Amino acid sequence: GEDVEQSLFLSVREGDSSVINCTYTDSSSTYLYWYKQEPGAGLQLLTYIFSNMDMKQDQRLTVLLNKKDKHLSLRIADTQTGDSAIYFCAETHTGRRALTFGSGTRLQVQP
Amino acid sequence: EAGVTQFPSHSVIEKGQTVTLRCDPISGHDNLYWYRRVMGKEIKFLLHFVKESKQDESGMPNNRFLAERTGGTYSTLKVQPAELEDSGVYFCASSPLKGGGTDTQYFGPGTRLTVL
Repeated sequence: GEDVEQSLFLSVREGDSSVINCTYTDSSSTYLYWYKQEPGAGLQLLTYIFSNMDMKQDQRLTVLLNKKDKHLSLRIADTQTGDSAIYFCAETHTGRRALTFGSGTRLQVQP
Repeated sequence: EAGVTQFPSHSVIEKGQTVTLRCDPISGHDNLYWYRRVMGKEIKFLLHFVKESKQDESGMPNNRFLAERTGGTYSTLKVQPAELEDSGVYFCASSPLKGGGTDTQYFGPGTRLTVL
């Protein structure tokens, strides 16, 4: 079956880099996503990566995909207090539009 | 452009009562999804509409949950009768995708349901 796992909590200092990790079990995953949820808000899509890629960079965000190990990571450079939120990893695969989410990683950025 | 909206933002009901959640997708989006997050766990898929048709309802937990999307615009999710384990945050999302490729789903703020 499908399973997506993340660590629950990460604390970093402002200005440091944050790395949030995710593992998944479905080898037929097509797209892998990172969503951000700020308090009281909905889920905001940050970035996604297609399964035939191994890296994608978008400003301060870098996504790394190790398809062999089914490991996905999100690196946030120069982490700011506004980056404090819950980050969800999610995947979809061919034939199914529904997102399968991990349980979310709460990122706390300390000034 | 207005985003996905959900109503109410919070609902507190007693076990055995009925609650109806509403979702208004982004105008023009044919795809509408319901998800829920229970007790800080992962967000789980409930069902997917394409216009007014149920495309995938494999995530619906049981027959106490009824989703509708009459006319292919807004959608409602009714829980009747509500049980304690139904407490959680119910998210709605919509997307415009009609063909293949990545499907960017835009999420609403969620409805927090508490069943006492």
